[in-house]
Amino acid sequence: DGGITQSPKYLFRKEGQNVTLSCEQNLNHDAMYWYRQDPGQGLRLIYYSQIVNDFQKGDIAEGYSVSREKKESFPLTVTSAQKNPTAFYLCASRTLSGRGAGELFFGEGSRLTVL
Amino acid sequence: DAKTTQPPSMDCAEGRAANLPCNHSTISGNEYVYWYRQIHSQGPQYIIHGLKNNETNEMASLIITEDRKSSTLILPHATLRDTAVYYCIVRVAERGSTLGRLYFGRGTQLTVWP
Repeated sequence: DGGITQSPKYLFRKEGQNVTLSCEQNLNHDAMYWYRQDPGQGLRLIYYSQIVNDFQKGDIAEGYSVSREKKESFPLTVTSAQKNPTAFYLCASRTLSGRGAGELFFGEGSRLTVL
Repeated sequence: DAKTTQPPSMDCAEGRAANLPCNHSTISGNEYVYWYRQIHSQGPQYIIHGLKNNETNEMASLIITEDRKSSTLILPHATLRDTAVYYCIVRVAERGSTLGRLYFGRGTQLTVWP
C-alpha cells in the first residue's frame, strides 16, 4: 500500500536536546512538507521541498532544520534553538503535476513533548 | 495570511445534510478551493477541490458561487464518524514557482450528534 509514514508517533525529550522526526513516502511524490499544529490551532508550515537536495523555509522555520537527500525521505530536526517545541508535527507530500497536484497526503503525525 | 474564513463550530444531526460554509473573497482567478478534514489527533484527509464548477465525489459535494468568493461543502448524510475539524483552503501560488503553499486556518469543528 502506498502512503506516507511518520515515526515515532510519540516522543519525549529533555529540554536542550535535538530531536529528529522521520517522514517517508512511497507515493513517488515530488513535494514534501512539514507542518506544526498546536492545540486548537490550524497547521503552520515549517519547511517544504519540491525536489531532492532543495528545500525552502515556511512560516515558522526558526529552530528547525531539514534535509532532502532522497525523494522518499524528508526528516525534520527540532533543535535546541526552538523555544516551544512541544507540538503535533505533520508531514505531507503531493505530486506537482496533473489535476491531483494540489492534494496533500498526510502522515499520522508525531507528537513531541519536551520535558 | 488568512485566505479563508470559516465558522469555528457547527453541529448536525446524524443522517441529515451538513453544509459547511467558507468565505474566500480575495481568491484569484487561477486559485483552487480545497477541503480537508482532520479527526482528532490524526493527519488531515483530503475531501474535494474545485476551481469554478460544482464538484461531487463519494465523500461530499462542493458548491462554489458564481463570483467564487464563497463555497459550501456538503456532506449529504452525516454520520457520527464525520465529526472532525473541516478546513477550507485556497491554493496560493508562490511567486516564480509552481509550488503552491496551502494555508490551513483553524477550520470548522463539525459535531454530528445521534
